[in-house]
Amino acid sequence: QSVLTQPPSASGTPGQRVTISCSGSTSNIGSNFVCWYQQFPGTAPKLLIYRDDQRPSGVPDRFSGSKSGTSASLAISGLRSEDEADYYCAAWDDSLSGLVFGGGTKLTVL
Amino acid sequence: QVQLVQSGAEVKKPGASVKVSCKASGYTFTGHYMHWVRQAPGQGLEWMGWINPNSGDTNNAQKFQGRVTMTRDTSISTAYMELRRLRSDDTAVYYCARGYGGYDWDSVAASHWGQGTLVTVSS
Repeated sequence: QSVLTQPPSASGTPGQRVTISCSGSTSNIGSNFVCWYQQFPGTAPKLLIYRDDQRPSGVPDRFSGSKSGTSASLAISGLRSEDEADYYCAAWDDSLSGLVFGGGTKLTVL
Repeated sequence: QVQLVQSGAEVKKPGASVKVSCKASGYTFTGHYMHWVRQAPGQGLEWMGWINPNSGDTNNAQKFQGRVTMTRDTSISTAYMELRRLRSDDTAVYYCARGYGGYDWDSVAASHWGQGTLVTVSS
């Protein structure tokens, strides 16, 4: 049972805009920055978003992050087949004094 | 460019210990936190803790306290994670990952990852 809650799956068609949600609490998302990772099978995760909505250099602007209260979202616009991957949210948790991850969302491009 | 190169796969028996290394290059090793994250087969990511390579201070996830030790050798820009009293459910890929920022809240994000080390615990 993950501290942050994500839907196990999401899907969309090429060109579509999809969003992935991440729900937490006041001790994590509600008071700390959220980051998002993309992971392909058999490879290490890649940082997509940090500080709620900032993209590291090299990450396409098709990927965007937002946060409201104790929930955060990752949006992917202009969906492409190569976006098919697992996506994880993460945030520091003040109560646990550690980093917590969501359970991950498997994105399928139909 | 930033690179994190981890040690090779390990097979251990229950009750044994494993020590994974992570050699950093391409940046100032003492300038960024180093996270340790694991992923059991078919499962999600799990944070184990991090080390401040400059001071050696560590912060381990509550789940692993008493079983994990994170250390570093600044002379060779290498971080280590040792997990003791291994169980079958410790079978996972273990990653080291560098904090994005310096010693600030951006360090919570992990911007560069090692290739992962598969640790298999089996009798």
